[in-house]
Formats: sequence, C-alpha cells, structure tokens
Amino acid sequence: GDSVTQMEGPVTLSEEAFLTINCTYTATGYPSLFWYVQYPGEGLQLLLKATKADDKGSNKGFEATYRKETTSFHLEKGSVQVSDSAVYFCALNNAGNNRKLIWGLGTSLAVNP
Amino acid sequence: GAGVSQSPSNKVTEKGKDVELRCDPISGHTALYWYRQRLGQGLEFLIYFQGNSAPDKSGLPSDRFSAERTGESVSTLTIQRTQQEDSAVYLCASSFGTGSDTQYFGPGTRLTVL
Repeated sequence: GDSVTQMEGPVTLSEEAFLTINCTYTATGYPSLFWYVQYPGEGLQLLLKATKADDKGSNKGFEATYRKETTSFHLEKGSVQVSDSAVYFCALNNAGNNRKLIWGLGTSLAVNP
Repeated sequence: GAGVSQSPSNKVTEKGKDVELRCDPISGHTALYWYRQRLGQGLEFLIYFQGNSAPDKSGLPSDRFSAERTGESVSTLTIQRTQQEDSAVYLCASSFGTGSDTQYFGPGTRLTVL
C-alpha cells in the first residue's frame, strides 16, 4: 500500500539556518503530496502541496518540489525563524484511495534564537 | 468563513465507558475524514464519509468504534467500552469532495482514558 517515510527528529537549528526535512513516498498512480504543520498548542495546518510531478509548492518561505523520479518531496527553507518551531508532517493522498491522507511520522523542529 | 470545529476539545473518561466525539465540517464540504494521532505515533486514518455514506471504514481499529454523519454535515465518532489504548487526539477533516485533494482540519479532541 501507499506509504510515506519522513526524516526523524527532533531537529534543532539556530535562527537563520537552512532547513531540509526529507520525505520520500511509495504510491500507486499519481498521488498529491502535502506538508502540514502543527504549531505548539494548535491544530494541523496545510503548509504547501503539489499535485503533479515537477510542481513546486511554496508558502511562508518554505518550498518542496514533487520529484517523481526519486519519489521525494523534501521540505526546505533558506532561513528559519524561531516562529517556525513546530512539528512538520509529510503526507500523500490518491484519487484512487478516496483521498485519505497517508502520513509520515512527523519531524519536530526547534529553532533557537 | 468558519473552519472545521470539534467538540469537546478535551475528554477524560474511565475505562469501559462510551464516548462520543463531534465534528462540524466546513459548510458545503461533502467529504469528511476522521484520523487519530496517538502519542509517539503517526496519524492514522479511521473512516471517510462522502455525503452521509461511509464507503471506507478500513481504518476503524475494532468494532468498538463507529461513526455516522447526518445531513451531509455533522459527524459523530463513537467509541464504546473505551480502553486505555484509545487515548489519543482524534482529528476531523473536511474537503469539497474526492475531486479536491486539500483537507482542512479541526483542532481535535484529546481523549484520555484512565
């Protein structure tokens, strides 16, 4: 079945550092790929998404590119801020599977001033 | 407009009791999903509704779990004879339908079974 493998955390960075959180997937067909973020004490929010190969999703300075050849959707940000401290989840869904989200385990990011 | 809402936000219950968790999706969203987030584990899909029908119940962990949806709106997830392993955050999400791939999440219900 479909699955998502995500880089384990926790990740601790200093402010303005470069961030990469790796995500790879296994899926049939042509899934849509997502990054969701969960800030402390808050619910899950969609951060960005990509629906087809070579699409780049971007939001709040974060980017991820849908790479079908490497089945990857790595999350990057050039300069993190303390306010980016959160748990980040990579996920996919498939039209052939009722669009239910298949999740990675989440990566906790702490950014220190 | 209003987002997805869930109630209660927190529920503490004793082992063996039944609980009901409620989800109010975004108005007009025909698809509704329930997920569970247990401490130290990833999110797990529980059940999917399209309208008032549940074509995919494959994630329900046991027959103690059931859900219904009425009026293509509110959904209730019921857990009978709760066990300690049911302790988790239960999340509801809605979307315009399976043709739309973006799901919007509620704040969740934190269930603690003592």
